[in-house]
Amino acid sequence: KAGVTQTPRYLIKTRGQQVTLSCSPISGHRSVSWYQQTPGQGLQFLFEYFSETQRNKGNFPGRFSGRQFSNSRSEMNVSTLELGDSALYLCASSPSAGTYNEQFFGPGTRLTVL
Amino acid sequence: GESVGLHLPTLSVQEGDNSIINCAYSNSASDYFIWYKQESGKGPQFIIDIRSNMDKRQGQRVTVLLNKTVKHLSLQIAATQPGDSAVYFCAEKLYGQNFVFGPGTRLSVLP
Repeated sequence: KAGVTQTPRYLIKTRGQQVTLSCSPISGHRSVSWYQQTPGQGLQFLFEYFSETQRNKGNFPGRFSGRQFSNSRSEMNVSTLELGDSALYLCASSPSAGTYNEQFFGPGTRLTVL
Repeated sequence: GESVGLHLPTLSVQEGDNSIINCAYSNSASDYFIWYKQESGKGPQFIIDIRSNMDKRQGQRVTVLLNKTVKHLSLQIAATQPGDSAVYFCAEKLYGQNFVFGPGTRLSVLP
């Protein structure tokens, strides 16, 4: 079974631009979560989607948004990019949204904001 | 590869020795825990999980211990190998909430 895939793997943007990242979960998985990873802050939760609905949202500004499609694929968007948005953005999928669900990560998208 | 954490605590062990990586979790009500391994340039890789109604769970070469009294989780790796060198994260979850990750520990395996 194919793992979680994320595209693109690397992105370079300038301040003020916006960016869209894509995540395809493991086949059959319906829950997708997004995380931001930086050396200073570690892994921080952005949001979780299940059945096209946002279930949980982390403490990030409204510039960060996401959505999930009927095939469980998910996208996240960051508008008006800031230098501090440079990070590794990770997507993780789970079979469902229950508590005891293993969560598997993709390789991440490395975003650099200049 | 990317730097996961520039100033993470580091555990150095000799190849063939056993490793013990510790994690203090934050919420006494958390009821599900996962250990992840992250190699440079890659996403976190699932290692083993444990539910709060268990104290111990074993996998292949790994054992997770849960002490709810002191909110402590540990990952034991038997016969540590060079390929075990990575950053290890614990993650905790409470029903209906998202996973919360620890800061990570860098494991360095010495030849």
